[in-house]
Amino acid sequence: DTEVTQTPKHLVMGMTNKKSLKCEQHMGHRAMYWYKQKAKKPPELMFVYSYEKLSINESVPSRFSPECPNSSLLNLHLHALQPEDSALYLCASSPSGQLGSPLHFGNGTRLTVT
Amino acid sequence: RKEVEQDPGPFNVPEGATVAFNCTYSNSASQSFFWYRQDCRKEPKLLMSVYSSGNEDGRFTAQLNRASQYISLLIRDSKLSDSATYLCAVNDLMNSGYSTLTFGKGTMLLVSP
Repeated sequence: DTEVTQTPKHLVMGMTNKKSLKCEQHMGHRAMYWYKQKAKKPPELMFVYSYEKLSINESVPSRFSPECPNSSLLNLHLHALQPEDSALYLCASSPSGQLGSPLHFGNGTRLTVT
Repeated sequence: RKEVEQDPGPFNVPEGATVAFNCTYSNSASQSFFWYRQDCRKEPKLLMSVYSSGNEDGRFTAQLNRASQYISLLIRDSKLSDSATYLCAVNDLMNSGYSTLTFGKGTMLLVSP
């Protein structure tokens, strides 16, 4: 069982909806990540939070808005998405965000935009 | 642009076979390397880190060749349950000073009875 918990597991939303993805970890990790994975593609980095501060934004469109309320929680707010945004959204955490720290992934949220 | 390349496969092998995957990376300054396993429609799960001297975990052996910029994963005595996609991941420092993982596209392994 994964120690990084993501909700919901599945989400279907229209292009005008606003929804949020949630991620939680209680391993004391200080770095948290959002990745996006489309079918038969590798996970692609979206955002990195380190010590609750946004440290990396990989030129992600503003319709995706991350939020880190505290060291255990990471949200991804979605608004006005496009059908091509349909993908598996993976949250991950690592102890420090420094070199040598492997990432531990949550189960993911499978998002479909209609 | 940092590239991580893998043969997508699929590798079709019978139970009990030995199979090896390679992964090449473009950034000669990359420091840390990992193999992840991903089952269909599931999240990637860390299989093992790759150390400079090579390392073994049961039936799995990982090697790093810095001169040629590739890492490898060897699976001995393949089991049906080894069927999955194996993702190579390279840990790099971004300009911000924080590290991220860049993944290869993955190599699919199918182990048959």
